[in-house]
Amino acid sequence: AQSVTQLGSHVSVSEGALVLLRCNYSSSVPPYLFWYVQYPNQGLQLLLKYTTGATLVKGINGFEAEFKKSETSFHLTKPSAHMSDAAEYFCAVSENNNDMRFGAGTRLTVKP
Amino acid sequence: NAGVTQTPKFRILKIGQSMTLQCTQDMNHNYMYWYRQDPGMGLKLIYYSVGAGITDKGEVPNGYNVSRSTTEDFPLRLELAAPSQTSVYFCASSYLMGIGQAHQPQHFGDGTRLSIL
Repeated sequence: AQSVTQLGSHVSVSEGALVLLRCNYSSSVPPYLFWYVQYPNQGLQLLLKYTTGATLVKGINGFEAEFKKSETSFHLTKPSAHMSDAAEYFCAVSENNNDMRFGAGTRLTVKP
Repeated sequence: NAGVTQTPKFRILKIGQSMTLQCTQDMNHNYMYWYRQDPGMGLKLIYYSVGAGITDKGEVPNGYNVSRSTTEDFPLRLELAAPSQTSVYFCASSYLMGIGQAHQPQHFGDGTRLSIL
């Protein structure tokens, strides 16, 4: 079955600095890959997803992620962090087998 | 434009009690999902439905039941509450063409925080 590993349960950056959240996946078939964001006491919001085609995917709020098959990675980046980006971020992988697996999440803190 | 609505937002149950977590969506989505989220962990799928009258088990279905009599509603039932079911429960929905698609939950409710004592 597919699985996801998010490296780093907590990441702290300064406002204006680069955001890099790491995600590696395991999948036996070409995967669908997702990043979600969760603000306190709310449900998850879809940031972006990769299904097929272009490997660099742009999402909402200035985030993007690149699918690298050779590295089995789907890292999330944003050039300049805002205070409003502080939240928990989840990477997920889905195969065409009625199953989807989430990573354990990375909590992003943005320092002023 | 409500999206996915879950009720109640909070609930405390005693061991052995039963309850139903309600979920309704107004986007005419065919796929609906129930997840649980435990501290420090990602979401785990309990049950899902690809359309009215069709439900199937996810990764952690034991102790739960679901039904999907309409497109809009997807209630989750706990029959005999156990402390291990203390969690935050999220309902989600998406629109996918056809059956057997890779899961892609698009819209989530704000969650139901359930404590079983």
